[in-house]
Amino acid sequence: DVKVTQSSRYLVKRTGEKVFLECVQDMDHENMFWYRQDPGLGLRLIYFSYDVKMKEKGDIPEGYSVSREKKERFSLILESASTNQTSMYLCASAGASEQYFGPGTRLTVT
Amino acid sequence: GNSVTQMEGPVTLSEEAFLTINCTYTATGYPSLFWYVQYPGEGLQLLLKATKADDKGSNKGFEATYRKETTSFHLEKGSVQVSDSAVYFCALSDRSGRNTGKLIFGQGTTLQVKP
Repeated sequence: DVKVTQSSRYLVKRTGEKVFLECVQDMDHENMFWYRQDPGLGLRLIYFSYDVKMKEKGDIPEGYSVSREKKERFSLILESASTNQTSMYLCASAGASEQYFGPGTRLTVT
Repeated sequence: GNSVTQMEGPVTLSEEAFLTINCTYTATGYPSLFWYVQYPGEGLQLLLKATKADDKGSNKGFEATYRKETTSFHLEKGSVQVSDSAVYFCALSDRSGRNTGKLIFGQGTTLQVKP
């Protein structure tokens, strides 16, 4: 069975902290994605990666960076967390077609 | 550019009612089309897909037909259950540039089914 796991379901951080969200997939997929989901705004793509060490900006990359050192792992980094980054973060991986999603991390920045 | 438009929700239905959630798209070329479902507190799951014009995707009693002439991929179910209450996302594959599996999502439609 396909599996995408995220390091935490719930996370609370303080403003200014550096935050790491981890995502791991076991499908040997080339492509991985980070989204944020907010009420009324749907899913917005932050970054995606199409190979190890390769990344591209999505629609809302400001305030975020990513790391892909191994094929199975894609990390989202908030360099200095701010309250407007409070959101649900979803990771996904994909072969050539559909995407498979993790359960999400609900991040609260206080 | 490519885009997906879904009907706004929430959609509220009684159990056993007929469901339609409209989805239209704008795309160059021949994208694949998808419906994803998100149950409360969970990530998105693929519900069904169609890869070419006139294909019908189906799963768990849900159906959608890829209509190129009307650029639509409406989701239907003949008789909804309370357990179908969720957020539904329509999406298309973005085939511009390299093949990255990138999808373009609609805004999502919340379905509430009352007993």
